[in-house]
Amino acid sequence: SQQGEEDPQALSIQEGENATMNCSYKTSINNLQWYRQNSGRGLVHLILIRSNEREKHSGRLRVTLDTSKKSSSLLITASRAADTASYFCATAPLRAGGTSYGKLTFGQGTILTVHP
Amino acid sequence: GAGVSQSPSNKVTEKGKDVELRCDPISGHTALYWYRQSLGQGLEFLIYFQGNSAPDKSGLPSDRFSAERTGGSVSTLTIQRTQQEDSAVYLCASSDSGVRGRETQYFGPGTRLLVL
Repeated sequence: SQQGEEDPQALSIQEGENATMNCSYKTSINNLQWYRQNSGRGLVHLILIRSNEREKHSGRLRVTLDTSKKSSSLLITASRAADTASYFCATAPLRAGGTSYGKLTFGQGTILTVHP
Repeated sequence: GAGVSQSPSNKVTEKGKDVELRCDPISGHTALYWYRQSLGQGLEFLIYFQGNSAPDKSGLPSDRFSAERTGGSVSTLTIQRTQQEDSAVYLCASSDSGVRGRETQYFGPGTRLLVL
């Protein structure tokens, strides 16, 4: 099964509302990353949060990480129609010495639809 | 600067034929990854290169799949005797390295492979 399980599988909201997506994982990680994908093509990196960080912000994005619960959330505030996409969390494993070579394990993704 | 590029964008082939997929990483990036995205399996890791060597090939689904990287730059993923279950989007990503602060992976637009 996938390392990351995302919830919900699909989310439909109105423009201006906030969107929250959750991700759970199973093993120890070095970092967790969120990606966005439009129309099944290339992935765009949104934000990376390290295992020793609890919260990170980037523009309208807020990511939290709870390593005790092995979970993360992505909040998009004041959503726009252009935010419509699939969002994936991905985890990089923790290796000896606290390093990671970066192999990512992806969740199944959340399909976000923002209605104008 | 240029991002990760992949060619071809789309490939339609007949079952049993061989195909080659190409990835041009961001200049200077030492780490290169191949992933596959299919409807049934989500996003899966295939192989990781550091320079020209591949320390992790654990995601290659069968011995019909192989990959190489030359000059620490371009990589080619080869699928021999293609099967219908090989149909998927093949994504390439590169990063500066697995060193802290440079783990972000930048993805190409992908190659959509359809095996008839």
